[in-house]
Amino acid sequence: EVQLEESGGGLVKPGGSLRLSCAASGFAPGFVFSNAWVTWVRQAPGKGLEWVGLILSMIGGGTTDFAAPVKGRFSLSRDDSRRTVFLEMSNLKADDTAVYYCSTQKTVGAMEYWGPGTLVTVSS
Amino acid sequence: QSALTQPASVSGSPGQSITISCTGSSSDIGTYDYVSWYQQRPGKAPKLMIYDVVNRPSGAPSRFSGSKSGNAASLTISGLQADDDATYYCSSYTTMNTLVFGGGTKLTVL
Repeated sequence: EVQLEESGGGLVKPGGSLRLSCAASGFAPGFVFSNAWVTWVRQAPGKGLEWVGLILSMIGGGTTDFAAPVKGRFSLSRDDSRRTVFLEMSNLKADDTAVYYCSTQKTVGAMEYWGPGTLVTVSS
Repeated sequence: QSALTQPASVSGSPGQSITISCTGSSSDIGTYDYVSWYQQRPGKAPKLMIYDVVNRPSGAPSRFSGSKSGNAASLTISGLQADDDATYYCSSYTTMNTLVFGGGTKLTVL
């Protein structure tokens, strides 16, 4: 079974930066981390799910896409040798306060494996 | 990109069937068959229940089914069980190469 685990969350002041990690462990038939498209989704306290961004596999060019509210402030990278994806967040705002989940896609937009999430709190 | 529209809540008794609607636009559901449905329990990560409109991943009960017509998609749960009590989210790929979620529907099993 594939397991994902996010880390790096915490309390940060407005305008600050934070780097989240998403590490994969375990195995499943047909799952190869280096081929996986990894998506980040966040959920503000008491609110619904919000798509944050996506990084394709390196075979797919390692292309990234982001939601409008975070574009230009967030970036994604991956280290397939460590089976880890990184979400770099800068110029953080109070509205970025949320639990951040990473997930891998089964097909386009279908997130199969999820981590338990990591809480990011932006507050002075 | 506007969120997809879902009813805030639905309810049903054990054994009954319920349907949750998800309304989008020609920029998302109307263009792509990349509609997914997720179940989320409090304090837990979402769980994929339906993908590509109609497909169930292994681990999702056969009581869950999905469909789409035009700019709208639906999730039907037949033979409701107490364990189905949760919040359900739809999502769709969009023409902007992004993903959009619905606001979520709280299902209460009476």
